[in-house]
Amino acid sequence: QQQVKQSPQSLIVQKGGISIINCAYENTAFDYFPWYQQFPGKGPALLIAIRPDVSEKKEGRFTISFNKSAKQFSLHIMDSQPGDSATYFCAASRYNQGGKLIFGQGTELSVKP
Amino acid sequence: ETGVTQSPTHLIKTRGQQVTLRCSSQSGHNTVSWYQQALGQGPQFIFQYYREEENGRGNFPPRFSGLQFPNYSSELNVNALELDDSALYLCASSRGVDSSYNEQFFGPGTRLTVL
Repeated sequence: QQQVKQSPQSLIVQKGGISIINCAYENTAFDYFPWYQQFPGKGPALLIAIRPDVSEKKEGRFTISFNKSAKQFSLHIMDSQPGDSATYFCAASRYNQGGKLIFGQGTELSVKP
Repeated sequence: ETGVTQSPTHLIKTRGQQVTLRCSSQSGHNTVSWYQQALGQGPQFIFQYYREEENGRGNFPPRFSGLQFPNYSSELNVNALELDDSALYLCASSRGVDSSYNEQFFGPGTRLTVL
């Protein structure tokens, strides 16, 4: 059972453009929604995270938008740069499961110069 | 502050063999989680260790087992290797298990190939 669905699978954006990646979840018990960035040969690294009591969180060029009623959240990368080219994963976890992360399938982002 | 380290970096085994992967947690962290990441997929939770005890397990068979040591480092053991076990195995450490908000810090992973 895929509890977190992520789209698109791949994304090509021009330098300076906006990258948007979407995720949908099923389990309303999830209470933490992080986004991870993974470069080839590296482990995932936390980029930004949100809790369901807020609808938006911004850190620099990265913004998470959260829609609790629709059970959806998205990552927006403003002014995308070639250095942002990586695979992005959304994830979710439940308050009573000690941080066990359920990951989406990943989005491979390529930012063209 | 030392980050999460994993060894070995790469490993090639044949079907039916056994393998042990190792992880050193980040300084100050007492919880280690293991994930399997198949090519082109998101990581899947295998299990978590907290204070040397298993604290939650994903949908993996018993031939996947683990240990956590008093210094909070951890091992992942896989018996009777199958071709589908070929994947990147990630270790993540965090502080405690009392909240879903405890950030997990991932190591670079061990790439296991089963022939």
